[in-house]
Amino acid sequence: QQQVKQSPQSLIVQKGGISIINCAYENTAFDYFPWYQQFPGKGPALLIAIRPDVSEKKEGRFTISFNKSAKQFSLHIMDSQPGDSATYFCAASTGSNYQLIWGAGTKLIIKP
Amino acid sequence: DAGITQSPRHKVTETGTPVTLRCHQTENHRYMYWYRQDPGHGLRLIHYSYGVKDTDKGEVSDGYSVSRSKTEDFLLTLESATSSQTSVYFCAISDPTSGTYQETQYFGPGTRLLVL
Repeated sequence: QQQVKQSPQSLIVQKGGISIINCAYENTAFDYFPWYQQFPGKGPALLIAIRPDVSEKKEGRFTISFNKSAKQFSLHIMDSQPGDSATYFCAASTGSNYQLIWGAGTKLIIKP
Repeated sequence: DAGITQSPRHKVTETGTPVTLRCHQTENHRYMYWYRQDPGHGLRLIHYSYGVKDTDKGEVSDGYSVSRSKTEDFLLTLESATSSQTSVYFCAISDPTSGTYQETQYFGPGTRLLVL
């Protein structure tokens, strides 16, 4: 029940295309859903986050879509660029102990 | 990297040797975390701290111990390193009193550990 399942494991998208990464969860107590971006040799960095009181959050080319009834959330990267090539992690938290439950990660490659 | 340093950045050691990794923060954040990252497993929590001398286990704590004697430093010790502990280790910090999202964790640059 504590798991966050992330798919796909890897993704190749043409430059200018839309990249979509999905996550699913079981624990209905989760109330914080961040996405992190990690470049090779670096630590993960917060990209965008959402709480379940909204269904969508957009920051530039990055959008989180949240479906509370389906217990799913996804990251959409519009107009994908080669600089977006990285590993992306979704996560979730109940906020009670400030621990994050992590997805397994998606390696995204944007082809020029 | 949000005022977080990790040392050493790279280490090669032999099986059975004790190893200590250090995480140092200048943000005065209350929470500190140690993760390991392995291909196919994402990030797995080893131990975390919610204050000086206050620590608790994560999902993969066997073979690891931690100490936090000062707000800014969080040490991870492998008592007797094994080859299965070869990994990249990340330290993270968070503070429930700061920012829009109190649960946000900020990561250090990582330590790459190879146990031969």
